[in-house]
Amino acid sequence: QVQLQQSGPGLVKPSQTLSLTCAISGDSVSSNSGAWNWIRQSPSRGLEWLGRTYYRSKWFSDYSLSVKSRITINPDTSKNQFSLQLSSVTPEDTAVYYCARSSTVCTRGNCHTYWYFDLWGRGTLVTVSS
Amino acid sequence: DIVMTQSPDSLAVSLGERATINCKSSQSVLYSSNNKNFLAWYQQRPGQPPKLLIYWASTRESGVPDRFSGSGSGTDFTLTISSLQAEDVAVYYCQQYYSTPLTFGGGTKVEIK
Repeated sequence: QVQLQQSGPGLVKPSQTLSLTCAISGDSVSSNSGAWNWIRQSPSRGLEWLGRTYYRSKWFSDYSLSVKSRITINPDTSKNQFSLQLSSVTPEDTAVYYCARSSTVCTRGNCHTYWYFDLWGRGTLVTVSS
Repeated sequence: DIVMTQSPDSLAVSLGERATINCKSSQSVLYSSNNKNFLAWYQQRPGQPPKLLIYWASTRESGVPDRFSGSGSGTDFTLTISSLQAEDVAVYYCQQYYSTPLTFGGGTKVEIK
């Protein structure tokens, strides 16, 4: 059974960097069938996709333009996990942060990753406050 | 960006009755090459992460009760709970995966009348 286990601090000071980790069990961060996302949820912004990383013969990462200048999502193959770093945070970045998986479907030898989220971590409430 | 608009914001339905939630996208999420709608539905119970219910607009995820069904095409979609159960009290979200940024609707809260 695949599980995603999130970890990281729940309180970050303004202007600092938010860092979270999502450890994967039952799957591999470097598999050609999984893809790994970060999503956040706040009352003001609702559910907001932040970005993703995935391995398809090489590593890919891409991000929402709303945070592109501040975000990094990195895989860590040695620990089978992936991370989120969001720099220069403000109180507007206060939210519950989720990691989530998207899966690849193969039909008659043709494989495609479809970007719905079939597995979620439990979420981490991150508050940005001094 | 594709904007997803859900209606109503909330609804109260009697146990055993039908609940209907609407989702409209600002542009079509129907991909012509495979004739599939890139639209998913999620259920979020209090204190829990969202749970995938339906993808391709109408395909139920494994283990999802058949009282949940999805329909629609192009820009207009519906999630129907045919006979509301107490455990269905939750917020429901639609999400398009046609293009990035991946975007969600604002949610519909379903309560018991």
